[in-house]
Amino acid sequence: EAGVTQFPSHSVIEKGQTVTLRCDPISGHDNLYWYRRVMGKEIKFLLHFVKESKQDESGMPNNRFLAERTGGTYSTLKVQPAELEDSGVYFCASSPTDGGNEQFFGPGTRLTVL
Amino acid sequence: DAKTTQPPSMDCAEGRAANLPCNHSTISGNEYVYWYRQIHSQGPQYIIHGLKNNETNEMASLIITEDRKSSTLILPHATLRDTAVYYCIVRRSSGDKLTFGTGTRLAVRP
Repeated sequence: EAGVTQFPSHSVIEKGQTVTLRCDPISGHDNLYWYRRVMGKEIKFLLHFVKESKQDESGMPNNRFLAERTGGTYSTLKVQPAELEDSGVYFCASSPTDGGNEQFFGPGTRLTVL
Repeated sequence: DAKTTQPPSMDCAEGRAANLPCNHSTISGNEYVYWYRQIHSQGPQYIIHGLKNNETNEMASLIITEDRKSSTLILPHATLRDTAVYYCIVRRSSGDKLTFGTGTRLAVRP
């Protein structure tokens, strides 16, 4: 069974540009989470989807970040416009709705904003 | 979610048991203790979780004190591949977000 996949693995963009990160959860997992680790800081929660609905978006830092999960399958996280402080590693995780104590994490997308 | 406190770093010899402590003195009765780890450049990986009973799986054992204010993760025979940052997380239910702290950086030495 394929795990959580994320694309791209690395992205280097200039300040002011737009970047879109993609996450493909494990098939059948209704819960999808985004986290990020910015330089020198702890891993922080961004938001949580249950199917296509945003269950909790309390961790989204500001309105430059937009997450979508149309159709309840894969999710995208768009940063527009990107700022220097957005540099870091963005992780996606998924878990099943019933009996899923474990969140399965993807390998992350390393974003560098110059 | 309750806050957790872990030592910033530990080391152990390969083949020996690694015992990683965690304090969670403000834990509520309905909160579970979870352990995750992050091996360099990879996404976090689930290890084990428990409510109040000790738990064991193929990766580790989790010992929770009777008052539930602290716990210990035990890797019975540490290998070099166990070198990672280990996170102790307190969480209400399986659907909740994970709140990561600074964790314990475990170095397993040959």
